[in-house]
Amino acid sequence: SAVISQKPSRDICQRGTSLTIQCQVDSQVTMMFWYRQQPGQSLTLIATANQGSEATYESGFVIDKFPISRPNLTFSTLTVSNMSPEDSSIYLCSVAGGTALTNTQYFGPGTRLTVL
Amino acid sequence: ELKVEQNPLFLSMQEGKNYTIYCNYSTTSDRLYWYRQDPGKSLESLFVLLSNGAVKQEGRLMASLDTKARLSTLHITAAVHDLSATYFCAVDIWTSGSRLTFGEGTQLTVNP
Repeated sequence: SAVISQKPSRDICQRGTSLTIQCQVDSQVTMMFWYRQQPGQSLTLIATANQGSEATYESGFVIDKFPISRPNLTFSTLTVSNMSPEDSSIYLCSVAGGTALTNTQYFGPGTRLTVL
Repeated sequence: ELKVEQNPLFLSMQEGKNYTIYCNYSTTSDRLYWYRQDPGKSLESLFVLLSNGAVKQEGRLMASLDTKARLSTLHITAAVHDLSATYFCAVDIWTSGSRLTFGEGTQLTVNP
């Protein structure tokens, strides 16, 4: 399995500001993903973070709102830009495809974001 | 567009009873995942089902996959309170095992 950490674990932000969430993995992984879980809801994939290239976004999510970086095989960041209360969610990174991993996809602890 | 539907969405059961959670999906896929989420926590991987007819068991939980029916089941045997959590199934539409579409989740409460 993989040990995944996220920073911050939670934050309360003001409308119109931006927050960058970090995801660190303890081993090299091929694929990293960012999901959103709105209160009481299921998970929705935001984007796939590709090392060395631009992220691939799902329908309804755009790079200007959720810029992503993937500088190496163990680290990624997600920025939530120009936040509004509708962005209040848990943001989770996940990983798949590495020598230390089996076929499953592992999730980080999540970042709980509240936008006022 | 891939749709993944779980039922029931809410399940309250007595300790010692058996029950099954169903997960239907709309597009061909040979890879299905079950996760558990405790309140305020992240997702814990329970099972990965990689082929038609796959069956996996861990303790009181058993998962199966029927790709022809596009159906997976999570069977709970002799439920205990510690199994109370939300259970998600997720389907992967990439053969590389990555891009997941989640069901709505089943909130399970096991009462003493």
